[in-house]
Amino acid sequence: DTGVSQDPRHKITKRGQNVTFRCDPISEHNRLYWYRQTLGQGPEFLTYFQNEAQLEKSRLLSDRFSAERPKGSFSTLEIQRTEQGDSAMYLCASSQGSHNEQFFGPGTRLTVL
Amino acid sequence: AQTVTQSQPEMSVQEAETVTLSCTYDTSESDYYLFWYKQPPSRQMILVIRQEAYKQQNATENRFSVNFQKAAKSFSLKISDSQLGDAAMYFCAYIDGSGANSKLTFGKGITLSVRP
Repeated sequence: DTGVSQDPRHKITKRGQNVTFRCDPISEHNRLYWYRQTLGQGPEFLTYFQNEAQLEKSRLLSDRFSAERPKGSFSTLEIQRTEQGDSAMYLCASSQGSHNEQFFGPGTRLTVL
Repeated sequence: AQTVTQSQPEMSVQEAETVTLSCTYDTSESDYYLFWYKQPPSRQMILVIRQEAYKQQNATENRFSVNFQKAAKSFSLKISDSQLGDAAMYFCAYIDGSGANSKLTFGKGITLSVRP
């Protein structure tokens, strides 16, 4: 068990560019979550998957955001046409079951210039 | 919609002393789970303690314990014998127990500093 990993850890991009983040959950976990955290705030839910099915999306997830979890393993979060307001830490978490502990990854810090 | 409120943005405690972090929540559900997560500076979030709403007994994990008051919708974290490594941001979080809604709802967090 190597924990939840995320790549890259840091990403700096210019406004208008597309970015993609990857999350590798703990291997036996069927649920995978994406959260966004801005400085000094708690994480806010974006979306989650059970296996390969995306079951819920937050209203925070505009049409510029898309997430996938092919084959129920790793997940990607893509942001198209980035805006400065997208600058945040993007956290991935995984769990086995619906209300068990969610294990968090180290996050990807996005800076949009 | 469920909400989680942490009204104290910062707290400080002397090493070896006890500190209590406050959290209130609002929900119309009867079945839910509450968590305290710790986020050290530049490190990933880890679970400190978990409480099932249907359990009357307060959860305890070594130096960490909670005071769960279901009627008052209050869920405070007590840290005993504080250590320098306890310095971090602490988040209170809620999750619906029905399984239909799996997202964690977090409070804004509290920054705890530990004085040597």
